[in-house]
Amino acid sequence: AQSVTQPDIHITVSEGASLELRCNYSYGATPYLFWYVQSPGQGLQLLLKYFSGDTLVQGIKGFEAEFKRSQSSFNLRKPSVHWSDAAEYFCAAATGANNLFFGTGTRLTVIP
Amino acid sequence: KAGVTQTPRYLIKTRGQQVTLSCSPISGHRSVSWYQQTPGQGLQFLFEYFSETQRNKGNFPGRFSGRQFSNSRSEMNVSTLELGDSALYLCASSLDRGRFTEAFFGQGTRLTVV
Repeated sequence: AQSVTQPDIHITVSEGASLELRCNYSYGATPYLFWYVQSPGQGLQLLLKYFSGDTLVQGIKGFEAEFKRSQSSFNLRKPSVHWSDAAEYFCAAATGANNLFFGTGTRLTVIP
Repeated sequence: KAGVTQTPRYLIKTRGQQVTLSCSPISGHRSVSWYQQTPGQGLQFLFEYFSETQRNKGNFPGRFSGRQFSNSRSEMNVSTLELGDSALYLCASSLDRGRFTEAFFGQGTRLTVV
């Protein structure tokens, strides 16, 4: 069965520190992959997406993600976290139809 | 360009009642998908509409239904509300369905069932 796993429920980092959020997927074929961010009480904002090609994807707000087929992973990174990055982050996958399959999310706390 | 608009933003309903939520996609987008977000189950796909037809459906009971109008606006309906239906309902619009690019989400409708 298809699945998207975000093993970290909650991560705390200091402002200015680097960040890596993990995401693993299990699909029959490589799906389209996405990272979304959600601030409290808000909808989802797309950070970046991977369809094919270059495995290092640049997104908005200084985020990037690397697709590793051998590890079935699509980890999100940011070299220096800002306090405004505190939010919940969702990894998602889709196989072409417009139905995203989401991971359970990782809540990011940023401490000064 | 206006984003995805969901109305109302907040709703309080009583068990047993029914509710209708509305979603206006981005202009020119023809596909609308609905998602339910709860603390326990996370984000789950409800259904997708394209050209006024349901194209895909998640694993939800028949109490959850939807429709799409010729202008691509969509509504979802939940009948015989249960306490467990309390959730944030998110609508997403996409340009097309033959070649999925990305989904743009609205701010959601927070439904509370008491």
